[in-house]
Amino acid sequence: SQKIEQNSEALNIQEGKTATLTCNYTNYSPAYLQWYRQDPGRGPVFLLLIRENEKEKRKERLKVTFDTTLKQSLFHITASQPADSATYLCALDEAAGNKLTFGGGTRVLVKP
Amino acid sequence: SAVISQKPSRDICQRGTSLTIQCQVDSQVTMMFWYRQQPGQSLTLIATANQGSEATYESGFVIDKFPISRPNLTFSTLTVSNMSPEDSSIYLCSVRSSGTSDTQYFGPGTRLTVL
Repeated sequence: SQKIEQNSEALNIQEGKTATLTCNYTNYSPAYLQWYRQDPGRGPVFLLLIRENEKEKRKERLKVTFDTTLKQSLFHITASQPADSATYLCALDEAAGNKLTFGGGTRVLVKP
Repeated sequence: SAVISQKPSRDICQRGTSLTIQCQVDSQVTMMFWYRQQPGQSLTLIATANQGSEATYESGFVIDKFPISRPNLTFSTLTVSNMSPEDSSIYLCSVRSSGTSDTQYFGPGTRLTVL
């Protein structure tokens, strides 16, 4: 069966450190993978998209890697800040214009 | 980008009643999606609503329970019919921006509690 797995345990991290989140998938052939941030009581907010032929993408303090052999994406928040505290969701799309399927999300708590 | 608003933002309803949720987008979009997010869970796609055609429902969701309208390129409604406490959830409208092709934007959600 198809699965998208993110670490369900909250990630507690000290301010200034790098937070690393994983997204593993099985029985998917994604055209691309997206990462979203969700704050309590709000809808998800798009952060980054990485395509199947891209290894790495950066945006400010965020970095995403995509390994289609390992079927894994890593999401890094460098120089983390308390404002980065939120739930981070990965989502797969198997073909451009198709539906997104979401992982369960990982909650990140950055302590000052 | 696309700015999405939803109405109502939250509601408390009685079992057996129906609620219609509205989704308004500030630009014309082809693809609109409705998701459900149950407490502590991730997002589950209910259906895809394209203007000018019937909505396409995902496994486990049926039109009689979740009828959808898509009268134009900026508006959609989702009705939760004959509600039960199991329908208590956050319902999210989402659009895919044709300008940036693959980016998907979400509304703030409608928090529904069924007693």
